[in-house]
Amino acid sequence: DAGVTQTPRHEVAEKGQTIILKCEPVSGHNDLFWYRQTKIQGLELLSYFRSKSLMEDGGAFKDRFKAEMLNSSFSTLKIQPTEPKDSAVYLCASSLTGGARREQYFGPGTRLTVL
Amino acid sequence: QQQVRQSPQSLTVWEGETAILNCSYEDSTFDYFPWYHQFPGESPALLIAIRPVSNKKEDGRFTIFFNKREKKFSLHIADSQPGDSATYFCAARGYGNEKITFGAGTKLTIKP
Repeated sequence: DAGVTQTPRHEVAEKGQTIILKCEPVSGHNDLFWYRQTKIQGLELLSYFRSKSLMEDGGAFKDRFKAEMLNSSFSTLKIQPTEPKDSAVYLCASSLTGGARREQYFGPGTRLTVL
Repeated sequence: QQQVRQSPQSLTVWEGETAILNCSYEDSTFDYFPWYHQFPGESPALLIAIRPVSNKKEDGRFTIFFNKREKKFSLHIADSQPGDSATYFCAARGYGNEKITFGAGTKLTIKP
């Protein structure tokens, strides 16, 4: 089975641009998470979906960050407009609700650089 | 509010020693405590986890010790190897909730 896939792997944007990051969860998983990872802030939760319903939309990120889950196998994270402080690795993870190990499987991430 | 606190921020031990990484939490509704590790250039991956019904969980050289009364848990890596060098994140999850709250991470370096 394929793991979590994310595209693109790298993205370079100018300040003020709109960028869209994509994620495909593990087939059959019904929980999907978007995280931002930086050396200073660590792993920060941006959004959490359960069966396509938005369960949590990280408070501090609401104004310019919008995650959507168009179907059970595809999610996007839009950042609009981008700012240099958004430079980070964006990770998507999925899990199976109530799974025995309750493990979140992470994708390879998208490294975003905003100039 | 930082719900899961992790220490130390970085740790260096010699090969063969036991590395000890510590975490504490505040929310008494947390009922599942995983540890993830992340190697350079890779994504986090689950290493080992424990539920509060136990105070110890072992998996090979990795052991979680859990103290529910003090709301603390730790990861012990016995006979540490250079290949264990990575960043380790403790985490916690509430009952009926799949959302994980991560600690800030400990960067572990094992010197040969």
